[in-house]
Amino acid sequence: GAVVSQHPSRVICKSGTSVKIECRSLDFQATTMFWYRQFPKQSLMLMATSNEGSKATYEQGVEKDKFLINHASLTLSTLTVTSAHPEDSSFYICSAKRLAGYNEQFFGPGTRLTVL
Amino acid sequence: AQRVTQPEKLLSVFKGAPVELKCNYSYSGSPELFWYVQYSRQRLQLLLRHISRESIKGFTADLNKGETSFHLKKPFAQEEDSAMYYCALSGGNTPLVFGKGTRLSVIA
Repeated sequence: GAVVSQHPSRVICKSGTSVKIECRSLDFQATTMFWYRQFPKQSLMLMATSNEGSKATYEQGVEKDKFLINHASLTLSTLTVTSAHPEDSSFYICSAKRLAGYNEQFFGPGTRLTVL
Repeated sequence: AQRVTQPEKLLSVFKGAPVELKCNYSYSGSPELFWYVQYSRQRLQLLLRHISRESIKGFTADLNKGETSFHLKKPFAQEEDSAMYYCALSGGNTPLVFGKGTRLSVIA
């Protein structure tokens, strides 16, 4: 149990276009989902925290107008990278916390975004 | 502020040798500490959490509040232990804050 999926697994887009990444908790309800960014050979950096039905909380330095987060249901959160540029190329990982139980985050497999 | 420090980027050990991956933290309250592991081409997965005090795959970690440490240990390393290990901290309902990670390489 406690599986988190992400779609797509990889995406290549042209500079200036927008890309949407979906994060789903497949077999549990997630009160909170998190979006991380991971550069090659570096650690995960928290971008934002999203709670179902409310606005996301962004970490310092993360542009909320560039990285739009929507947490429409207890099983789905989306991250939209708007007007993507090459510097947005990265590995984006989501995680989800269960509605009940341990304070544990379950991670998705990640999405590799390449902006040309 | 929450901070997790993993001083070693890379740790290489021979198969059968003991392993210790270091983790120190900074947090003013009562932290929850975790170790996550990321095998090659796989997602991040939980290895240990300090509150459960369990041993997974032979790994153990003890929270030392005096030294603000949560080092990960295994008495005899196996080749399949080669992976990226991340120490992480949460203040309860706060998101996980990760250390920079340590790549463990077990040499046959």
